[in-house]
Amino acid sequence: QSALTQPPSASGTPGQRVTISCSGSSSNTGSNYVFWYQQLPGTAPKLLIYRNNQRPSGVPDRFSGSKSGTSASLAISGLRSEDEADYYCAAWDDSLSGWVFGGGTKLTVL
Amino acid sequence: EVQLVESGGTLVPPGRSLRLSCAASGFTFDDYAMHWVRQPPGKGLEWVSGINWNSGSTGYADSVKGRFTISRDNARSSLTLQMNSLRIDDTALYYCVKDRGLFWGSDAFEIWGQGTMVTVS
Repeated sequence: QSALTQPPSASGTPGQRVTISCSGSSSNTGSNYVFWYQQLPGTAPKLLIYRNNQRPSGVPDRFSGSKSGTSASLAISGLRSEDEADYYCAAWDDSLSGWVFGGGTKLTVL
Repeated sequence: EVQLVESGGTLVPPGRSLRLSCAASGFTFDDYAMHWVRQPPGKGLEWVSGINWNSGSTGYADSVKGRFTISRDNARSSLTLQMNSLRIDDTALYYCVKDRGLFWGSDAFEIWGQGTMVTVS
């Protein structure tokens, strides 16, 4: 059971906009930054969004993050086949004094 | 180019010890905190341990506390994870990860290595 809750799967067609949710609690997402990671099949994870809504250089602006209360979302607009991957959210947890991840969302581009 | 290369993963019986290493290059190693994050086969990510830029502070997941020890050698740009009393549920791909900042509890997992596989059986 992950500390952060994500839907196990999501899907969309090319060009569509999809969102992936991440729900936590007051000790993690409610009081700390949320981060998003993309893991393409067979590869190591890659930082996609940091500090709720900041994109590292090289990440397309099709990817955006937001946070409200204890929930966060990752939005992907103009969906492409190469976006098919697993997406994970993460946050610092004050109660655990450690980092927690969501269980991951497998995005399928139909 | 920033590179993190893990080594040391292998098949080991339950109860034994194992030492993982990570060689870093392409950045000023002692300017950043470092972490180990693991991923069991077919499952999600789990943070294992983190260490500040100067080894002044370390942190561990409850699942490994008291069994694993993280350390770093800034002179050699290397990160180590000493794993003792290994259990079957420690089986995973272990990633060496560079932080965005100095402290292991404050910023993103910025750069990931390709991982080294540990199988406890």
